[in-house]
Amino acid sequence: AQSVTQPDIHITVSEGASLELRCNYSYGATPYLFWYVQSPGQGLQLLLKYFSGDTLVQGIKGFEAEFKRSQSSFNLRKPSVHWSDAAEYFCAVAPKAAGNKLTFGGGTRVLVKP
Amino acid sequence: NAGVTQTPKFRILKIGQSMTLQCAQDMNHNYMYWYRQDPGMGLKLIYYSVGAGITDKGEVPNGYNVSRSTTEDFPLRLELAAPSQTSVYFCASSPQLNTIYFGEGSWLTVV
Repeated sequence: AQSVTQPDIHITVSEGASLELRCNYSYGATPYLFWYVQSPGQGLQLLLKYFSGDTLVQGIKGFEAEFKRSQSSFNLRKPSVHWSDAAEYFCAVAPKAAGNKLTFGGGTRVLVKP
Repeated sequence: NAGVTQTPKFRILKIGQSMTLQCAQDMNHNYMYWYRQDPGMGLKLIYYSVGAGITDKGEVPNGYNVSRSTTEDFPLRLELAAPSQTSVYFCASSPQLNTIYFGEGSWLTVV
């Protein structure tokens, strides 16, 4: 069965420190890959997406993600977090044959310490 | 830029009542979706539509119905509300390719 796993439910990071959020997927073939952010009381906003090509993807708000086929992973990173990065982050995948049907991971809540 | 608009934002229902969550998009997107998000969980797809007059079930369709009479509107109907339907509901839309735009959510409590 297709699945998306975000192993970390909560992560606490100090402001200015680096951040890495993990995402692993289980699919028959490489799917489309996405990261979304959800601020409290808000809808989801797309940070970045990977369809094909360069495995390092740049997104908005200074985020990047790296696709590693051998590890079935699509981890999200930011070199230096800001207090405004406190939010919940969702990894999502969609099969290329049905690219509009997203499957979401359970999310990782990021807390930023001053 | 309105994007995807959902109403109401908050609603409390009694068990057995019915209601409709409204969703409208002004981006002329063919695809529209309804997701629900339970506490500590990711989003699960309830129903989706690939165009006016066409709808299909997602992962968790039981207890819900949808219609798509126009490109712009995709209402979600709850018949006989149950406590298990307490959730946050997100409507979304996308063009042909794979970038999905979400509304701000509708918080529903069934008591």
